[in-house]
Amino acid sequence: DGGITQSPKYLFRKEGQNVTLSCEQNLNHDAMYWYRQDPGQGLRLIYYSQIVNDFQKGDIAEGYSVSREKKESFPLTVTSAQKNPTAFYLCASTMTGLTPYEQYFGPGTRLTVT
Amino acid sequence: GESVGLHLPTLSVQEGDNSIINCAYSNSASDYFIWYKQESGKGPQFIIDIRSNMDKRQGQRVTVLLNKTVKHLSLQIAATQPGDSAVYFCAENTLTQGGSEKLVFGKGTKLTVNP
Repeated sequence: DGGITQSPKYLFRKEGQNVTLSCEQNLNHDAMYWYRQDPGQGLRLIYYSQIVNDFQKGDIAEGYSVSREKKESFPLTVTSAQKNPTAFYLCASTMTGLTPYEQYFGPGTRLTVT
Repeated sequence: GESVGLHLPTLSVQEGDNSIINCAYSNSASDYFIWYKQESGKGPQFIIDIRSNMDKRQGQRVTVLLNKTVKHLSLQIAATQPGDSAVYFCAENTLTQGGSEKLVFGKGTKLTVNP
């Protein structure tokens, strides 16, 4: 089955530690995205990548870092510089072309930092 | 500036009734709009989309209406079922400063279907 996987589903970390969230897709999509969702809120864009080895900051990139070494993978690192890291993190991917297409979302990773 | 919002944060309907969820957007240059459904603890699921050259699009039990004059988007769900209970987000496709495309999401409307 094609789709997007995120692991783990739940992640717990101590304050001051960096943590990396995994996102893999086998949809052959060029573009990938990371969003953060807080309770009762919409999705806010952290980072996105239109092509391998290239990525851009979204609206709330501070305290996060990403890499895009492979088309299928777009890991997100939540660094100790992120002041409020506890949230639900969603990864998405989409085709690229002359017209926009819908983004497909993974199941999410709920990160709790204490 | 670009923003996508919703008129009502919650909506409660009876099973079998029709539901209408509204969304206002501010970027008149947006050319593509999507509705997503998100169940608790899960990622958003695509429901239906519409491009700016259309006013209406129908899917299975769902219809999206786009009114570009007043920058308004709505999602209609026919014969609402308990399984439709979820948070519904609208999103508009916009261009970033670098020329890439991104989705801007509204805060969502929580739909509760009462049996």
